[in-house]
Amino acid sequence: DAGVTQSPTHLIKTRGQQVTLRCSPKSGHDTVSWYQQALGQGPQFIFQYYEEEERQRGNFPDRFSGHQFPNYSSELNVNALLLGDSALYLCASSLETSEFYEQYFGPGTRLTVT
Amino acid sequence: AQSVTQPDIHITVSEGASLELRCNYSYGATPYLFWYVQSPGQGLQLLLKYFSGDTLVQGIKGFEAEFKRSQSSFNLRKPSVHWSDAAEYFCAVGAFYGQNFVFGPGTRLSVLP
Repeated sequence: DAGVTQSPTHLIKTRGQQVTLRCSPKSGHDTVSWYQQALGQGPQFIFQYYEEEERQRGNFPDRFSGHQFPNYSSELNVNALLLGDSALYLCASSLETSEFYEQYFGPGTRLTVT
Repeated sequence: AQSVTQPDIHITVSEGASLELRCNYSYGATPYLFWYVQSPGQGLQLLLKYFSGDTLVQGIKGFEAEFKRSQSSFNLRKPSVHWSDAAEYFCAVGAFYGQNFVFGPGTRLSVLP
């Protein structure tokens, strides 16, 4: 049973560029959440996707957008990259109907903006 | 709004010693509480969770946590620390609807041989 997978593992981009990060949820899960973890900090919630729609969003600008596909996989897009966007981006999946809901996290994508 | 504080940024203990990591939360309703561990360069691994019922919950790797509603706390404990426990530990509170988590800033645990 595959867990949450993310690609790529590492990424280096230049300020002003755009980036797309990908996530495949744990088998059987239907909800995907994205978090940003800056160095030395706890993860910060970006947004969550369920039934191919953004259901909830944290305090992040519109430069951060996402998508969920019919197979429940998801993408995180960041436009006009800033140096401050350098972070570990974590994807977490969960099951909407789970009685004891919990989020399973992937290994993350390390984004460096230069 | 939910919030989580972890008062200790960094804790150092000797191998074999006991451990307690503190977590305080703020949430208007019954919280869903979690402890995650993150090794360097890795994602988050769930150690244990609390939803309701018995306030002392057992997790993986010999960890346990106690929910104290009166103190708004959910402290993580381990009776005897192993060198492999050195990592970053995060406490999180979740709201059932929407399922997004609010994480604390983390506590870095170092283990002396």
